[in-house]
Amino acid sequence: AQSVTQLGSHVSVSEGALVLLRCNYSSSVPPYLFWYVQYPNQGLQLLLKYTTGATLVKGINGFEAEFKKSETSFHLTKPSAHMSDAAEYFCAVSVAGANNLFFGTGTRLTVIP
Amino acid sequence: KAGVTQTPRYLIKTRGQQVTLSCSPISGHRSVSWYQQTPGQGLQFLFEYFSETQRNKGNFPGRFSGRQFSNSRSEMNVSTLELGDSALYLCASSLQVNSYEQFFGPGTRLTVL
Repeated sequence: AQSVTQLGSHVSVSEGALVLLRCNYSSSVPPYLFWYVQYPNQGLQLLLKYTTGATLVKGINGFEAEFKKSETSFHLTKPSAHMSDAAEYFCAVSVAGANNLFFGTGTRLTVIP
Repeated sequence: KAGVTQTPRYLIKTRGQQVTLSCSPISGHRSVSWYQQTPGQGLQFLFEYFSETQRNKGNFPGRFSGRQFSNSRSEMNVSTLELGDSALYLCASSLQVNSYEQFFGPGTRLTVL
């Protein structure tokens, strides 16, 4: 079975500061890991994904995440927060051969000007 | 290329009624998945269809059903609506069953009174 834990339902950062959103996963088989962003009244947009290969993955809008198997983590980072980054972020896990995603509870990011 | 479209965007029903939601995937995509998003339970997988066949099903009662047509368009149906069915229902499409990436529609906001 797969599951995801996102630490911190709300995170506030100042504009220009580092963004760090935490995600830990549980999976009995090699996982595929994803970060999605959701803006108000919209669907989910994929930021980045890890399937196999390089453990540091870069996504859109300057975000990146590192897959750490030993820590079962896939934390999302961005060096410098922008006001437009304010949204809700979801970490998700799936496995090979399956399109069903298991989502974390989400982290709402607030960017303070 | 047009994205995933969902109709209607907003819906108000009363308890005991039934509802049908529609999803048109991105052209060429053959897999469609449905998710329910609520403040209390978060994002939960409902079911996935590929080539008109249900491949996976989440842990939802039989009141929730779906189908997929030969053109890959999908519908989900909820019968005997309950107050707890109020949610944002998201549809996601992907090219194949193991595409690693799903594209989400804007969702249908269902309110049950």
